[in-house]
Amino acid sequence: KAGVTQTPRYLIKTRGQQVTLSCSPISGHRSVSWYQQTPGQGLQFLFEYFSETQRNKGNFPGRFSGRQFSNSRSEMNVSTLELGDSALYLCASVQGGLYNEQFFGPGTRLTVL
Amino acid sequence: AQRVTQPEKLLSVFKGAPVELKCNYSYSGSPELFWYVQYSRQRLQLLLRHISRESIKGFTADLNKGETSFHLKKPFAQEEDSAMYYCALSESQAGTALIFGKGTTLSVSS
Repeated sequence: KAGVTQTPRYLIKTRGQQVTLSCSPISGHRSVSWYQQTPGQGLQFLFEYFSETQRNKGNFPGRFSGRQFSNSRSEMNVSTLELGDSALYLCASVQGGLYNEQFFGPGTRLTVL
Repeated sequence: AQRVTQPEKLLSVFKGAPVELKCNYSYSGSPELFWYVQYSRQRLQLLLRHISRESIKGFTADLNKGETSFHLKKPFAQEEDSAMYYCALSESQAGTALIFGKGTTLSVSS
């Protein structure tokens, strides 16, 4: 099976712009989670989507949003970018059931100038 | 608030020495706890989960609810164990929505 894929891998934006990141989960996986990784804060949970519905949400401002499509692919959007949004954004997918292993993608490196 | 604490940023040991990576958590309910590992230039991946009580690559972890700890142990470290280790807590029985610790870099030298 192909692993979790994320596009683009690298992105440079300027303050005030918006950005959309994409994640394709492993085939058959219905849950997709997003995490932000920074040197200062480490890995922080953004949100989780399951069957096109947001199931869990982390403590991030409303500028961060996401959605999931019927084929389980997910996108996250960050509006009005700030310098502090520079981070590695990781996507993870899970097949379902209990206490499952999350499979992580390689991440999208976002740099805000 | 739910929190995962890994007190050591870096742990350096010699090959063959025992390893213990510490993890403490703060959670009001019954936690689902995991250890994830990231080897150099690889993706973050699951090492083990407390619910399955398994030993992976010689590593074990025991949940101590009294001390709210989930320390990762290995009796004899190998050079290939060098990696970043993250302890994580899930508020969801699905094992998603993970709250991660800041991570501990394990360096095993010969």
